[in-house]
Amino acid sequence: DAGVIQSPRHEVTEMGQEVTLRCKPISGHDYLFWYRQTMMRGLELLIYFNNNVPIDDSGMPEDRFSAKMPNASFSTLKIQPSEPRDSAVYFCASSPSGGNEKLFFGSGTQLSVL
Amino acid sequence: AQKVTQAQTEISVVEKEDVTLDCVYETRDTTYYLFWYKQPPSGELVFLIRRNSFDEQNEISGRYSWNFQKSTSSFNFTITASQVVDSAVYFCALSEAAWRRGGNKLTFGTGTQLKVEL
Repeated sequence: DAGVIQSPRHEVTEMGQEVTLRCKPISGHDYLFWYRQTMMRGLELLIYFNNNVPIDDSGMPEDRFSAKMPNASFSTLKIQPSEPRDSAVYFCASSPSGGNEKLFFGSGTQLSVL
Repeated sequence: AQKVTQAQTEISVVEKEDVTLDCVYETRDTTYYLFWYKQPPSGELVFLIRRNSFDEQNEISGRYSWNFQKSTSSFNFTITASQVVDSAVYFCALSEAAWRRGGNKLTFGTGTQLKVEL
């Protein structure tokens, strides 16, 4: 079975540009999580969805960040406009039944904003 | 609020040594879940173990073992006879009961970088 698929693997962009990160969760998983990893802040939860509905977005840094899940097999995380401090690895994860269960992580998107 | 502390930032050992990675957690809940994840140099996060708060039995899986002690709020991870392939960042994590507001959220510690050298 395919795992969680993220694209792109690497993204380099210039400050002010829009960035869209994509995630395909494992089929049948009801929960989808977006995490960000930086040296300074470690792994932090940005937002999570249950059955395509955003449940908790309290970790989203500011209005420049938005996330959608139009259907059970696809989610996007968008940053507009991007800033250098957004440079990080962004992970998508899914699980069958929430954060109390094991999360299956994608390979991450390494974002560099110049 | 839940919190996970991994006080060891980096540990270096020589192959075949045993090594223990410490994890201390804080939670207001009586029902919670503890996890360990491994992040090898390739970057992906790999699940190692999940333990709920009502199961204090220690677990062994090959060279890996976990010691859960509620009395000290610790969930330590030991690798026996370490190997170079064990070199990675190891994260301890905690989630509270799903029904609780804020449940379902996995809070990670800052990680311990383990370097196993020949």
